[in-house]
Amino acid sequence: SAVISQKPSRDICQRGTSLTIQCQVDSQVTMMFWYRQQPGQSLTLIATANQGSEATYESGFVIDKFPISRPNLTFSTLTVSNMSPEDSSIYLCSVSGGLNYGYTFGSGTRLTVV
Amino acid sequence: TQLLEQSPQFLSIQEGENLTVYCNSSSVFSSLQWYRQEPGEGPVLLVTVVTGGEVKKLKRLTFQFGDARKDSSLHITAAQPGDTGLYLCAGAGGGSNYKLTFGKGTLLTVNP
Repeated sequence: SAVISQKPSRDICQRGTSLTIQCQVDSQVTMMFWYRQQPGQSLTLIATANQGSEATYESGFVIDKFPISRPNLTFSTLTVSNMSPEDSSIYLCSVSGGLNYGYTFGSGTRLTVV
Repeated sequence: TQLLEQSPQFLSIQEGENLTVYCNSSSVFSSLQWYRQEPGEGPVLLVTVVTGGEVKKLKRLTFQFGDARKDSSLHITAAQPGDTGLYLCAGAGGGSNYKLTFGKGTLLTVNP
């Protein structure tokens, strides 16, 4: 299965600022997924990032707030823009090994907005 | 929208006890996956079940996929403190639907 390097692992940010989270995969993948997870809670899909096209966002998430880049088949970034305390959460990237083979997740970025 | 109801949400047991976690839906899934997540880490895949009625065993963990592919269960025998973590079930829609639908998770604590 793929290995994902995600950084930063955690950050404390001032409200109104932006944070960019990076994910590097050790193999080429078509789709990368970005999730948000409230502490102790389940995962909510933010968007799906395809190389060479705009990301597809889920209901409740917009590109202006969560811009995503996918410059090649092994790398993606998610930016959390104009942060407020409500954005404090864990952000995870993920890739699929195929629907019947499970997904691999990065170790997550724990964001605290003060 | 496909929903997965996972229960119980919290479970605190003593070492050596058995437990079962349930994942139910009114929707059919092409596969169902179970993950375990420890603090500060991303979820790690435990198993994928694909065929209705399928049973898979992973040491002390037994996973079952319902005949109608709408529900699944995870049974742990003789739980150990190392089993502590957040257990998540996730359903895959199949075909061009690549998205996973996650249950709310079961936070398991096994006390020594």
